[in-house]
Amino acid sequence: AQTVTQSQPEMSVQEAETVTLSCTYDTSESDYYLFWYKQPPSRQMILVIRQEAYKQQNATENRFSVNFQKAAKSFSLKISDSQLGDAAMYFCACDAQGGSEKLVFGKGTKLTVNP
Amino acid sequence: EAGVTQFPSHSVIEKGQTVTLRCDPISGHDNLYWYRRVMGKEIKFLLHFVKESKQDESGMPNNRFLAERTGGTYSTLKVQPAELEDSGVYFCASRLTGGPYNEQFFGPGTRLTVL
Repeated sequence: AQTVTQSQPEMSVQEAETVTLSCTYDTSESDYYLFWYKQPPSRQMILVIRQEAYKQQNATENRFSVNFQKAAKSFSLKISDSQLGDAAMYFCACDAQGGSEKLVFGKGTKLTVNP
Repeated sequence: EAGVTQFPSHSVIEKGQTVTLRCDPISGHDNLYWYRRVMGKEIKFLLHFVKESKQDESGMPNNRFLAERTGGTYSTLKVQPAELEDSGVYFCASRLTGGPYNEQFFGPGTRLTVL
């Protein structure tokens, strides 16, 4: 069974600074995707960034990047130049291939951005 | 293009009553998922439809939960009779088979409160 662990229930960052959210996972699958989802207070959950397990290069999407350490089963999210709109719950998720592709989520990290 | 929609956004019912949640996926998406987040815990998978067929219902808590997807379009999730522990946010997501990165698109969720 897959598990995803987010060890930081809450984090805060000053506007324009950089913050890193941690995520570790465990899966017996060899082929899988990893995701970071963001859920702002309005509750619509949106995809921030994704990483294919077979790719060694870390994914980046504008101010968002990941540090993917496959051997350590670690998948942290770095947010650079934090903005007030980045304040949200962030969920890390894993998706094993070859089955229903259901997502296994961590408990989430609540990010506060201070002006 | 319209996203995933869910109705109602909030529902407050008493223990023992019945509630039906509805999800309209993105048009053309053959995969539909239901997830639930109980306060402070992980978002957990409930079940997965491919078109009108249940592909995986391993996450359904018990037989008080009944999901349907008639015609392979919208889906309903009925809880009968509701219990206090059913309170939480119910998310629906849809995905297109063969779409990039197996991305699931989430609805805003239905917040269910059982008193």
